[in-house]
Amino acid sequence: SQTIHQWPATLVQPVGSPLSLECTVEGTSNPNLYWYRQAAGRGLQLLFYSIGIDQISSEVPQNLSASRPQDRQFILSSKKLLLSDSGFYLCAWSRMGEANEKLFFGSGTQLSVL
Amino acid sequence: AQSVSQHNHHVILSEAASLELGCNYSYGGTVNLFWYVQYPGQHLQLLLKYFSGDPLVKGIKGFEAEFIKSKFSFNLRKPSVQWSDTAEYFCAVNARAEAAGNKLTFGGGTRVLVKP
Repeated sequence: SQTIHQWPATLVQPVGSPLSLECTVEGTSNPNLYWYRQAAGRGLQLLFYSIGIDQISSEVPQNLSASRPQDRQFILSSKKLLLSDSGFYLCAWSRMGEANEKLFFGSGTQLSVL
Repeated sequence: AQSVSQHNHHVILSEAASLELGCNYSYGGTVNLFWYVQYPGQHLQLLLKYFSGDPLVKGIKGFEAEFIKSKFSFNLRKPSVQWSDTAEYFCAVNARAEAAGNKLTFGGGTRVLVKP
């Protein structure tokens, strides 16, 4: 069966520090991968999605970047965190191809930038 | 671009009461529609989805949703809730014409608290 791992679960970082959140998927190949963010009191916002290795699309301009060095690994990064980067970050995957495929979500990372 | 609005941020009700959560979307083209749920301490997971056919969709745990195209709505319903339905519910939509990926646009979510 397929599983998705996301870590760390919580993270407290000072403003200006770098960020690296990692997500890996097991039990499937060629997944579509996604990074979502949920700010307090708001819905989930799609940040990045990837349909293949080194193929990343950014949905909103921001201080963050994403990379996919391997088929089932998706990394969210920042060189210098801002206060506004605080939020709950969710990694997700779906089967490649159909737009009606459901997403499978990770457990999320609560990031607090102080 | 699509947008999704959920009318209620918080809903509190008693067991056996009926539940209806509103969801409206804005998009001119053909869409796929989803409801996701996050139970306390668990991952976000799919509750039900609509992409074609009967506009009344039945999902897990007795939930159903009706797609009304003329109203751009996809409201979620359950005739009789249980304490275990306490969760946060998210409506989501994507454009069926998307060539790659399954890029969902989510609503702001509705927190439902069912009192025993």
